[in-house]
Amino acid sequence: DIQMTQSPSSLSASVGDRVTITCRASQSATSYLHWYQHEPGKAPKLLISAASNLQSGVPSRFSGSGSGTDYTLTISGLQPEDTATYYCQQSYGTPWTFGQGTKVEIK
Amino acid sequence: QVQLQESGAGLVKPSETLSLTCSLSGGSISNYYWSWIRLPPGKGLEWIGYIHDSGSTNYNPSLKTRVTMSIDTPKNQFSLEVRSVTPADTAVYYCARGASSGRGIAFDIWGQGTTVTIFS
Repeated sequence: DIQMTQSPSSLSASVGDRVTITCRASQSATSYLHWYQHEPGKAPKLLISAASNLQSGVPSRFSGSGSGTDYTLTISGLQPEDTATYYCQQSYGTPWTFGQGTKVEIK
Repeated sequence: QVQLQESGAGLVKPSETLSLTCSLSGGSISNYYWSWIRLPPGKGLEWIGYIHDSGSTNYNPSLKTRVTMSIDTPKNQFSLEVRSVTPADTAVYYCARGASSGRGIAFDIWGQGTTVTIFS
C-alpha cells in the first residue's frame, strides 16, 4: 500500500494568512494526487485533482503543487469558511489511500 | 445536477451484515468507478473499494474477505455489504463517484454520508 502522511495534523491561523499543508507519499504517486475539503456533517468536496488542477467553482485562493512523493495544498488568504479538515488521496495504486487529515481552524 | 444518496440500516449487531445502497440521480452510471469510503470516529477516510459499471470490482485488502459490492445499472444504484461486522466497523459511510482526472481517479461527487453503528 502507498502510505500518505500529512503535516501538520492541525493548525490555527488568522483570516488572510497563507496556509500550507504537506502530503508525503511512501513511494512516488506520479501526480495521481488529489485534495479534498471536509466540513463536519457535510460531504467531502474535491478541491484539486492531479496535484494541481483546480476544480470548477473552487475559489482561486486554493492551489496545489508537487510531484513524485511530495505535494502541497496552499490556501492564499485564509477565509472563515475554510474551516474544515483537508485530506490528500493517491490513486496511483490500489488500495487508494488517504492522508490522515489536517484540521484547519481560524484563530 | 448529479447527486448520490446513501440508504440502509443505521444500527447493526456484531457478527451480522451491514448493507447499504447508493442511489444516483441526475447523471449516468456508465464509465465511472463507484466507490464506498468510510470515516470511523476520530480517524481518517478509508477507501473500501469500487465497482465499475462493467461489473469489475476492486476491494481494499483490509476488508476484502468481508466485502461485496454490486451494481444495478437500470435502477442507477450500487450497493455494499460488509459481513461479520464488529464495533470497528462503526463509521460514517459515503458513496462516491470516481472519475478520471487525467492522472488517476478522483472522487468528484459524494453522498451526504450515513452513520452506521455496530452495537449489541
